[in-house]
Amino acid sequence: GAGVSQTPSNKVTEKGKYVELRCDPISGHTALYWYRQSLGQGPEFLIYFQGTGAADDSGLPNDRFFAVRPEGSVSTLKIQRTERGDSAVYLCASSSSGTGGETQYFGPGTRLLVL
Amino acid sequence: AQSVSQHNHHVILSEAASLELGCNYSYGGTVNLFWYVQYPGQHLQLLLKYFSGDPLVKGIKGFEAEFIKSKFSFNLRKPSVQWSDTAEYFCAVNDRNTGFQKLVFGTGTRLLVSP
Repeated sequence: GAGVSQTPSNKVTEKGKYVELRCDPISGHTALYWYRQSLGQGPEFLIYFQGTGAADDSGLPNDRFFAVRPEGSVSTLKIQRTERGDSAVYLCASSSSGTGGETQYFGPGTRLLVL
Repeated sequence: AQSVSQHNHHVILSEAASLELGCNYSYGGTVNLFWYVQYPGQHLQLLLKYFSGDPLVKGIKGFEAEFIKSKFSFNLRKPSVQWSDTAEYFCAVNDRNTGFQKLVFGTGTRLLVSP
């Protein structure tokens, strides 16, 4: 594809609900990353996939957050029992192979608002 | 853990003024360094990056950055800014401890260029 795409662009939900955020990386990119950007902050790393497997999930804040990439392409970030503090922009990025120095290409993000 | 400091949170310049945005990182080992830019309404995109070789790196749109290892710095410069440079600028680092995968971002600098 032309770039990283993310859906939905905006999501409003109520506290306690479950949400899924989708990322479609650049075609052929094996590495996929999720970041979260809160207001006034830079993006913070959540999880990194190499192919289908989560190679580093050290940034997931707690067990309410989970991500999958079953076929090594599209990824879904899942948040259970959402809390108001989960409100942020969730960014997805991909790179061609995940080796050092590569450029990570970012999508437009999903703006999540938990009421 | 790696951290990145961007000391200027907001910068206001007139067109044709020179720009220098500071970036310092904490980890002293082998690092890759990046500057990303986010124009209003757009997604994060790479301005320039350094991972080896000449410490003076040239990027798109006339931007450059200098890696000074002894100062743990990677400051961004542009000799003459334009109104179209109005954006938010993020410095980011990855390092050997994380296999050069996850990016650690600074909090960003909002640049406003007045015409």
